[in-house]
Amino acid sequence: QSALTQPASVSGSPGQSITISCTGTSSDVGGYKYVSWYQQHPGKAPKLMIYEVNNRPSGVPDRLSGSKSGNTASLTISGLQAEDEADYYCSSFTSSSTLYVFGTGTKVTVL
Amino acid sequence: EVQLVESGGGLVKPGGSLRLSCAASGFTFSTYSMSWVRQAPGKGLEWVSSISSSSGYIYYADSVKGRFTISRDNAKNSLFLQMNSLRAEDTAVYYCASSIAARPGRTQFDYWGQGTLVIVSS
Repeated sequence: QSALTQPASVSGSPGQSITISCTGTSSDVGGYKYVSWYQQHPGKAPKLMIYEVNNRPSGVPDRLSGSKSGNTASLTISGLQAEDEADYYCSSFTSSSTLYVFGTGTKVTVL
Repeated sequence: EVQLVESGGGLVKPGGSLRLSCAASGFTFSTYSMSWVRQAPGKGLEWVSSISSSSGYIYYADSVKGRFTISRDNAKNSLFLQMNSLRAEDTAVYYCASSIAARPGRTQFDYWGQGTLVIVSS
């Protein structure tokens, strides 16, 4: 089972919107609604930001939104803020022998 | 407040063993599935293993199958990972994570611990 494909880096200025893609296959992203997104600041534990494609846990700002089309899921951050600078990982349930698969990770830089 | 606190990491020689623990509090541990996820230095996240709330369903990544064993003690709100035949490529920070679903898989990792570092080196 290969990792889901994410861009290595994405950047934007404060206030702008950015989108991070997460591409898999019909055995994972494309086949199920169980796509989630995690934010990780340097030296810290990952934090759940989006679950089941487009749901936000309590406390996550509505500037973050998720979507999916075919085998590609996306995380959009609107009104980019300095605190959004972090690494972001997608994850999906997979019907392969591996129960979960993570994305390769995307470093978000706020210019 | 949900808290997950890992312990048991350290330096171990190739071929050696280590047992990680994760102490949970702030939620009804016995109803949540639990997982271990690792992150090698400077690398991305890798799912390692998951266990259902009652230990009836257990899953492993191919990279650790046959070497690692996940278990839990619901009476003590604790999760464990017994790691045997350790290799250099097992060097990573190991996180425990909770999922609100009783059975792992079709769910997300809701809360994460701070991680414990395992270094496999001679």
